Amino acid sequence: KNEVEQSPQNLTAQEGEFITINCSYSVGISALHWLQQHPGGGIVSLFMLSSGKKKHGRLIATINIQEKHSSLHITASHPRDSAVYICAVRSQEGSQGNLIFGKGTKLSVKP
Amino acid sequence: EPEVTQTPSHQVTQMGQEVILRCVPISNHLYFYWYRQILGQKVEFLVSFYNNEISEKSEIFDDQFSVERPDGSNFTLKIRSTKLEDSAMYFCASRDPGRSYGYTFGSGTRLTVV
Repeated sequence: KNEVEQSPQNLTAQEGEFITINCSYSVGISALHWLQQHPGGGIVSLFMLSSGKKKHGRLIATINIQEKHSSLHITASHPRDSAVYICAVRSQEGSQGNLIFGKGTKLSVKP
Repeated sequence: EPEVTQTPSHQVTQMGQEVILRCVPISNHLYFYWYRQILGQKVEFLVSFYNNEISEKSEIFDDQFSVERPDGSNFTLKIRSTKLEDSAMYFCASRDPGRSYGYTFGSGTRLTVV
């Protein structure tokens, strides 16, 4: 059973398009993270959310705790946004903050 | 911006050999983690480390794995007798609970067992 589900699995967009990636989870959480993984494999932390909405540049992340759902939006997408975007949650059960990861959404932005 | 540094970036080893993966976490962080990602699969939790001891470990982290923080800066993952299925990308991460992003990940060590 996957505790963190992401959709879509793969996403191809044209440069400039508005992109939405969704994440649903089934466990109680203390925080949700959006991460970016580049083709070389390195992982960069984008957002940590426990409620509401956060914005950083062209990226916006929202979370609905009641519905156990989060979305990552990218406005005015660019080819350099091409990467795998991963949703990960920190369970309320885990006291030391280890993360449970989704399988990731592979985004390809075409020029 | 402070970084988590992992070495080596890529290691190839013979099955049955011991490997040590090294990480230098951010100095004022309190929690340290090892994760792994088998090619094409999702990232999985291995172990967390706090106050110089293991605080939590997953089913994957069996007796062939061990972690150490030998000198207050390095954080190592040792795999005693590698198996083919240990081939994966291994990520170190550290966390400062007070920081808005929470986690900082290293760039990973790609371990290939042949």
